[in-house]
Amino acid sequence: EDQVTQSPEALRLQEGESSSLNCSYTVSGLRGLFWYRQDPGKGPEFLFTLYSAGEEKEKERLKATLTKKESFLHITAPKPEDSATYLCAVQGGVTGGGNKLTFGTGTQLKVEL
Amino acid sequence: SQTIHQWPATLVQPVGSPLSLECTVEGTSNPNLYWYRQAAGRGLQLLFYSVGIGQISSEVPQNLSASRPQDRQFILSSKKLLLSDSGFYLCATKTGTRGYGYTFGSGTRLTVV
Repeated sequence: EDQVTQSPEALRLQEGESSSLNCSYTVSGLRGLFWYRQDPGKGPEFLFTLYSAGEEKEKERLKATLTKKESFLHITAPKPEDSATYLCAVQGGVTGGGNKLTFGTGTQLKVEL
Repeated sequence: SQTIHQWPATLVQPVGSPLSLECTVEGTSNPNLYWYRQAAGRGLQLLFYSVGIGQISSEVPQNLSASRPQDRQFILSSKKLLLSDSGFYLCATKTGTRGYGYTFGSGTRLTVV
């Protein structure tokens, strides 16, 4: 069974204080690792897909990296508008299952002035 | 691009009452559709998925059921709600082919009282 563990559960940063969020996973044949952003009371918003170890993707102040066991979401010089819950999910290679994703519980990020 | 419509946005229902949540998708045909539930402090839990009209797979035994009467319509139902059915319900569809993420709806906050 695919499993995703995210840490920390909550993170409070000062504006401009860079940090990283962790996503550890176990999966049978990784087909993709996904990062989402979720604002309170809203559906998750897609950020990145990573396919293989060593891959990196960037978007504004966010950079996602992937190893064989974990992924990191690096936030450089965050701003208050980056405050949200960040979700990590994996899709395994087991056939069937409708291409379902398995999600972690998320990291709740708050960036203060 | 794909758009998911979910309604209602919020719902307060008494224990033992029926439930019907609807999700419709625009901008694609024959989509894979998913119902997730997000409880406080927990990750997104996959409830049902559908790969076509009338095809429903259940991931977790529960008090809920799902139906797909039309290609782009997905319905989540219950005959008698329990307190434990409270949560944030999200409908999602697979976006694109490889590298797909999910596109999520805006969610329904269900409170069973």
